[in-house]
Amino acid sequence: KQEVTQIPAALSVPEGENLVLNCSFTDSAIYNLQWFRQDPGKGLTSLLLIQSSQREQTSGRLNASLDKSSGRSTLYIAASQPGDSATYLCACGTASKLTFGTGTRLQVTL
Amino acid sequence: DTGVSQDPRHKITKRGQNVTFRCDPISEHNRLYWYRQTLGQGPEFLTYFQNEAQLEKSRLLSDRFSAERPKGSFSTLEIQRTEQGDSAMYLCASSLARTSRLVYNEQFFGPGTRLTVL
Repeated sequence: KQEVTQIPAALSVPEGENLVLNCSFTDSAIYNLQWFRQDPGKGLTSLLLIQSSQREQTSGRLNASLDKSSGRSTLYIAASQPGDSATYLCACGTASKLTFGTGTRLQVTL
Repeated sequence: DTGVSQDPRHKITKRGQNVTFRCDPISEHNRLYWYRQTLGQGPEFLTYFQNEAQLEKSRLLSDRFSAERPKGSFSTLEIQRTEQGDSAMYLCASSLARTSRLVYNEQFFGPGTRLTVL
């Protein structure tokens, strides 16, 4: 059974800092890995999808990496802004479903 | 807006009542998924459809839960005889899945239906 862990559970940084969120998973037999953002009480917004054969994917200030062999992914956020404050979830994709971590709650302060 | 939509956004019901939620996926998407999320946790998979066929159900989906996607478009999730433990956010997602290219299978989520069982 796939288990996904995200560390840290919460993070507070001042505006402008670069930061890294971590995701680890136990079963490397995945098709892809998705990173999502969730604002309080809202649905999930897809940020990035990394295919199982890719090492990294970039979108604007976001860069996600994937190391299947070690069961790890990171989400790098450059030049953080208060609008980046949200919970970030990683999810491992199989042929049928996503298995999620519990998320990292990010607060970017002025 | 051509994203995934869900209705209602909020539902408050009394224990023992039946509730039904609706999900409208992105129009060209062939797969539709249901997840459940409780406070402080990540979403958990419940079930998914490819077109109108329900292909997988989680053990979380007890006999009181039933989902349909009758014409391969919108889907409904019904919970019978609700219990307080059913209180959660119910999330729907859709994707355009090609069997030969599942590595590209990106799921897009709706805003969710928040269920409160009193």
